[in-house]
Amino acid sequence: GAGVSQSPSNKVTEKGKDVELRCDPISGHTALYWYRQRLGQGLEFLIYFQGNSAPDKSGLPSDRFSAERTGESVSTLTIQRTQQEDSAVYLCASIRGTSAPGEQFFGPGTRLTVL
Amino acid sequence: QKEVEQDPGPLSVPEGAIVSLNCTYSNSAFQYFMWYRQYSRKGPELLMYTYSSGNKEDGRFTAQVDKSSKYISLFIRDSQPSDSATYLCAMSLLYNTDKLIFGTGTRLQVFP
Repeated sequence: GAGVSQSPSNKVTEKGKDVELRCDPISGHTALYWYRQRLGQGLEFLIYFQGNSAPDKSGLPSDRFSAERTGESVSTLTIQRTQQEDSAVYLCASIRGTSAPGEQFFGPGTRLTVL
Repeated sequence: QKEVEQDPGPLSVPEGAIVSLNCTYSNSAFQYFMWYRQYSRKGPELLMYTYSSGNKEDGRFTAQVDKSSKYISLFIRDSQPSDSATYLCAMSLLYNTDKLIFGTGTRLQVFP
């Protein structure tokens, strides 16, 4: 596709349920990132993939959060036993090998609301 | 203390005004400095990046980095209503693939 796509665009869930968020990066982009943006806050790094390996997962807030990526394609972010503090917009970004510094291409995000 | 501090605003200016947006940071190891623009309900998009200290100009936008003061700025000349958005500064340690550390963003409104 033309850009990074994410699904669902909105997700409302009950506390304690598991959710799965999906990211489709731009075709040919080798690296993929997940960020979280809480209301009124900046983006908070969660995890980075180079291909299907994750050299940096230092931003995952707890073991309830996990992510995987299939080759240089789709990535899923899974949150188990969701809590109200997990409510945020989850953004995915991808870059190509020749991208300018910091030139991450972002998707529109998934807005997660935990009731 | 956050690694990157940014005044959240909102900042409201008339069309045609010069806008100054700023961030301070604490990690002197940051090498790359970016400004992203984020429209409501959209993902951020890269406006400009600067390496180390200095100025960079692109049309109506000028980015400045002062590493000695750990201070970066974005100036917007002849601001337009279409510039109304949230502006996020971001920084990284390494070239290209490094994660970005973002400020909280400054919400800008340019009124006609």
